[in-house]
Amino acid sequence: DAMVIQNPRYQVTQFGKPVTLSCSQTLNHNVMYWYQQKSSQAPKLLFHYYDKDFNNEADTPDNFQSRRPNTSFCFLDIRSPGLGDAAMYLCATSRDEDIQYFGAGTRLSVL
Amino acid sequence: SQQGEEDPQALSIQEGENATMNCSYKTSINNLQWYRQNSGRGLVHLILIRSNEREKHSGRLRVTLDTSKKSSSLLITASRAADTASYFCATDAAGNKLTFGGGTRVLVKP
Repeated sequence: DAMVIQNPRYQVTQFGKPVTLSCSQTLNHNVMYWYQQKSSQAPKLLFHYYDKDFNNEADTPDNFQSRRPNTSFCFLDIRSPGLGDAAMYLCATSRDEDIQYFGAGTRLSVL
Repeated sequence: SQQGEEDPQALSIQEGENATMNCSYKTSINNLQWYRQNSGRGLVHLILIRSNEREKHSGRLRVTLDTSKKSSSLLITASRAADTASYFCATDAAGNKLTFGGGTRVLVKP
């Protein structure tokens, strides 16, 4: 049973066209994270929500935004995708500082 | 920059053999975790070792941590074809914000 669900699994967008990736969870975890993983590289934390508090990493580009309308859902918005934003985007959740549970990821292609 | 560096980058072994991979990191940590990632999928948590622990076991997995050397190792014993995946170490220095190493790609040949 999927506990952290990411939709879609594959997303194709055009250069400069805004795109939204979604993540939902059935674990009732209070912390949700977004990571970017480029091919054959380590996942890199973009930002996370601790309850309603948004925490941006210092080197996350302004092009990346996030919304968390409720406990279960979190969105990643890329305002103007560039070719360099093509990657796997991973959502994860945790209960406070307990271990993180990851979704299957959304692979984003930018044409 | 990455907190963790993993060695080797790739490993190919026969089924039944042991696989060992190493992770080095740079700063003090609360804990170190190992994750597995099958191709094109999300990460699956394998094991967490706290900074005051030296060794931990989970099934066929054995993890060691040497905080004086800022290094950890993951041993998979009696490997199976299903163990084929990438393995990442991740350090938690503060606030459950994980910093991942570059990963080790493991191929277990039947």
